[in-house]
Amino acid sequence: GDSVTQTEGQVTVSESKSLIINCTYSATSIGYPNLFWYVRYPGEGLQLLLKVITAGQKGSSRGFEATYNKEATSFHLQKASVQESDSAVYYCALSDNTNTGKLTFGDGTVLTVKP
Amino acid sequence: EAAVTQSPRNKVTVTGGNVTLSCRQTNSHNYMYWYRQDTGHGLRLIHYSYGAGNLQIGDVPDGYKATRTTQEDFFLLLELASPSQTSLYFCASSEDWGNYAEQFFGPGTRLTVL
Repeated sequence: GDSVTQTEGQVTVSESKSLIINCTYSATSIGYPNLFWYVRYPGEGLQLLLKVITAGQKGSSRGFEATYNKEATSFHLQKASVQESDSAVYYCALSDNTNTGKLTFGDGTVLTVKP
Repeated sequence: EAAVTQSPRNKVTVTGGNVTLSCRQTNSHNYMYWYRQDTGHGLRLIHYSYGAGNLQIGDVPDGYKATRTTQEDFFLLLELASPSQTSLYFCASSEDWGNYAEQFFGPGTRLTVL
């Protein structure tokens, strides 16, 4: 089946420094999957941060960016300068092309931004 | 703004107990989902529904039943709770079942089975 791997379980970054959270995927269905980053702030549900449905394209939101790299099967999340308010749990996810709306999630990365 | 609410937010029960988790969405979405998330792991799909009266089996359905009574309400039932079902449960809804439809999540219910 499909799988999503986030190698870092926890990341700590100082405010104003750059960030990268790694995500790689494996999809078994025909065609290319759609890729997502969701974020969960303390006490809240997950919310969509950005999505990319076309290989080679880049998505961006709130200063975060992620590029769909089909050759490397990667979708790393980056931000040039993090803020303390970015502290949250970040989930990489994919949906296949079976039109069920089902998402496969990575394990999540806890980001702590130190002031 | 999409709104998905869950109740209760926290629940403690004993092994063999009967638990119902409730989810309501006010987005007029047709599609609703139940996930569980265990510490250090990603969300896994338990059941989902395409509309009132419809139920689809997800990836980890064993030990769970679900019922979609209306477009707004989706319930997850644990009839004989076990400690292995201790987890954080999320409900979500989406407007469409398309591959790139955004899912809107509730705040989660933390269930502890002693």
